[in-house]
Amino acid sequence: KAGVTQTPRYLIKTRGQQVTLSCSPISGHRSVSWYQQTPGQGLQFLFEYFSETQRNKGNFPGRFSGRQFSNSRSEMNVSTLELGDSALYLCASSGWDRGSLEQFFGPGTRLTVL
Amino acid sequence: QKEVEQDPGPLSVPEGAIVSLNCTYSNSAFQYFMWYRQYSRKGPELLMYTYSSGNKEDGRFTAQVDKSSKYISLFIRDSQPSDSATYLCAMRKGGSNYKLTFGKGTLLTVNP
Repeated sequence: KAGVTQTPRYLIKTRGQQVTLSCSPISGHRSVSWYQQTPGQGLQFLFEYFSETQRNKGNFPGRFSGRQFSNSRSEMNVSTLELGDSALYLCASSGWDRGSLEQFFGPGTRLTVL
Repeated sequence: QKEVEQDPGPLSVPEGAIVSLNCTYSNSAFQYFMWYRQYSRKGPELLMYTYSSGNKEDGRFTAQVDKSSKYISLFIRDSQPSDSATYLCAMRKGGSNYKLTFGKGTLLTVNP
């Protein structure tokens, strides 16, 4: 079974620009979550989509948004980039296996804001 | 107080040592507990998944959960240099809330 894929793997943007990141979950998984990882704050939950609906949201400003398509692929958008948005953005694909909810992460997109 | 506390280390051990990694948490609503391993410049990889208090073993790894003390542990037996990575504890509440709350991670180095 193919794993979670994220594109692009690396991005360099300047302050004020916007960026769109993409995530393809494991086949059959309907839930996609997004996390931001920084050295100072660790892994922080951004939001979760299930069947094209945002089901849970973390404590991030409205500049961070996302969506999910009917094939479960998800995109995350950050508008008006700030230096502090430099981070590894991780996507997690969730599915039930033998009664357990397992959540698998992609390799991440490393965003650098200059 | 953060919901999940994890000693960031770093932790350095010789090859073959038993490694103990720990997390404490404050929210009694957490029901599911996980350990992830993250190599440098990679995404986290699920190692262990537990629900109830007690021990769960998988090869050289043992996960322990004590809900009464709000304390979870991961033990690595016969540690190998390939175990060198950051270990993250994660937990979530039940129901349709798939949000994971992570510890900051412990950086482990196993020296040959």
